[in-house]
Amino acid sequence: QVQLVESGGGVVQPGGSLRLSCAASGFTFSSYGMHWVRQAPGKGLEWVAFIRYDGSNKYYADSVKGRFTISRDNSKNTLYLQMNSLRAEDTAVYYCAKESPSGYANDYWGQGTLVTVSS
Amino acid sequence: QSALTQPASVSGSPGQSITISCTGTSSDVGGYNYVSWYQQHPGKAPKLMIYDVSNRPSGVSNRFSGSKSGNTASLTISGLQAEDEADYYCSSYTISDTLSFVFGTGTKVTVL
Repeated sequence: QVQLVESGGGVVQPGGSLRLSCAASGFTFSSYGMHWVRQAPGKGLEWVAFIRYDGSNKYYADSVKGRFTISRDNSKNTLYLQMNSLRAEDTAVYYCAKESPSGYANDYWGQGTLVTVSS
Repeated sequence: QSALTQPASVSGSPGQSITISCTGTSSDVGGYNYVSWYQQHPGKAPKLMIYDVSNRPSGVSNRFSGSKSGNTASLTISGLQAEDEADYYCSSYTISDTLSFVFGTGTKVTVL
């Protein structure tokens, strides 16, 4: 069955960096686009970034553009999110999510990894 | 990339039907048939309930249905059950200057 397992979260100081990983299994990873979605404590979902199945195109929310980089290694079935210049408002649970076959929804989600930006 | 607008809360008794609205603009909800709905229980990851406005993934109860009219999409839960108590989020594909996705503000569904 499809599994998405995020890792790499933790506590980081403002201005710091962190790299999240999402290990995928149970489907042909190289055939699907992948998303990062975050949820601040007690708040709603916020789309962060999307990468096409082959890594050819990447798209970002305005709130993270220029600071975050989404990437993937299809040989390792792994999705990444490099987060630089972190701010307090980046504190959230970060989910990776698989693109649905139709292309415009997320049919499988990981359990999330918590990132806390605090001094 | 403003969030889509949902009511903060909706409630209903077991067996009743409820509808959650999701209002956007012609650049997102109104412009494409790419609205999806997610259910999230406390401390859990979101679960896809509806995609492409009105399609149900395999395994999702047929008590859940979706529709759209103009810039507003809707999720209807019929035969409300205790297990339906959760937060619900809509989402839409959008293109302004570039491709992106936007979520709704979220709706807390309470089963009375």
